[in-house]
Amino acid sequence: GENVEQHPSTLSVQEGDSAVIKCTYSDSASNYFPWYKQELGKRPQLIIDIRSNVGEKKDQRIAVTLNKTAKHFSLHITETQPEDSAVYFCAAPRAYKYIFGTGTRLKVLA
Amino acid sequence: EPEVTQTPSHQVTQMGQEVILRCVPISNHLYFYWYRQILGQKVEFLVSFYNNEISEKSEIFDDQFSVERPDGSNFTLKIRSTKLEDSAMYFCASSDSRQYWVGSPLHFGNGTRLTVT
Repeated sequence: GENVEQHPSTLSVQEGDSAVIKCTYSDSASNYFPWYKQELGKRPQLIIDIRSNVGEKKDQRIAVTLNKTAKHFSLHITETQPEDSAVYFCAAPRAYKYIFGTGTRLKVLA
Repeated sequence: EPEVTQTPSHQVTQMGQEVILRCVPISNHLYFYWYRQILGQKVEFLVSFYNNEISEKSEIFDDQFSVERPDGSNFTLKIRSTKLEDSAMYFCASSDSRQYWVGSPLHFGNGTRLTVT
């Protein structure tokens, strides 16, 4: 199918802890995987992306890992802060579009 | 940094009326998209557009929907006869490559919140 499965749907962590969100895709030809952060009432904004020729990419407290064999990719946020609270969406390409996951509402508790 | 701009930010319309949502993609981008997001739900694909043609459309994008690039800058989404279930946030997006092969992110506008009463 064309779905991108994303888990968990909600995630609460204590400030300073790590958060991990996982997505699974179906099209083995997919080669580029972005992650978006959406704050309440705002547009999705790209926070990190990974191409299929690498297994991991890191940008300060955010990292993404890709397992092409298993067709899943994960977002890792370390040392979480209250401003990380938002909805996070993964996406995968399919034909002439991106399919988005169902979103993860991350709440960082101070 | 260049941005995708959308107007209006809010649109309230009565059921059965026509609405046109407007977007100005980033100037050197060639691929344009409309997505919608019902409150609290995921971002759903409506249509992709390249070289003055629809590349792909979803099941949501039925005969009541159309897109147009009337000039070199604007990209519009028209809903001919709105229904209550069309109420959602509509996001325009653009990218500078055909991502399936190359991999290029979507840049989203701030969205138009459409309310159908």
